[in-house]
Amino acid sequence: SQELEQSPQSLIVQEGKNLTINCTSSKTLYGLYWYKQKYGEGLIFLMMLQKGGEEKSHEKITAKLDEKKQQSSLHITASQPSHAGIYLCGAVLTGTASKLTFGTGTRLQVTL
Amino acid sequence: DTGVSQNPRHKITKRGQNVTFRCDPISEHNRLYWYRQTLGQGPEFLTYFQNEAQLEKSRLLSDRFSAERPKGSFSTLEIQRTEQGDSAMYLCASSPLDSPLHFGNGTRLTVT
Repeated sequence: SQELEQSPQSLIVQEGKNLTINCTSSKTLYGLYWYKQKYGEGLIFLMMLQKGGEEKSHEKITAKLDEKKQQSSLHITASQPSHAGIYLCGAVLTGTASKLTFGTGTRLQVTL
Repeated sequence: DTGVSQNPRHKITKRGQNVTFRCDPISEHNRLYWYRQTLGQGPEFLTYFQNEAQLEKSRLLSDRFSAERPKGSFSTLEIQRTEQGDSAMYLCASSPLDSPLHFGNGTRLTVT
């Protein structure tokens, strides 16, 4: 079973619409990272969250880490074709390890 | 800062052959990671180095896999006696201590 569950697995939205992607863990998240990946390429870092209740924004993308530090959401406002890609959450699941465990990703398509 | 560089970008090999991939991290990044990603899945952790020391290896890293980072700079990942199940994207990432990982564009391996 996956340690990190992402939902939905895929999403098709019309340009201009808002959307939310969720990342849920059965363990406490010691750090939560959001990445974006285009097909066949590497991962691009978007945001890092570490404190319960923390919220960060960059351009039209906002990410939150809930108070209990077991779930994060990524919200895109007024989506654009440039937002299309695969969104991955990566988490530090133990207090001392430095590696990231990733979810399976959410594939986003933005239609005109 | 030229980013994480991986070579080759693509490798096609016959089953049973050995292959070696190279990763050049961002200079002065202490940590270097190897991940494997198959289609439709998130990256899976393989191993990581802090400077030249290999600090953790996943159970996914069978005896046929070996990674080195001889001088704490570039790293190589070798797969001996390749199998069709080794076909995947191999991603390298680097980071300073306790900072987000920066990924390369990966090496796509196809074993025929």
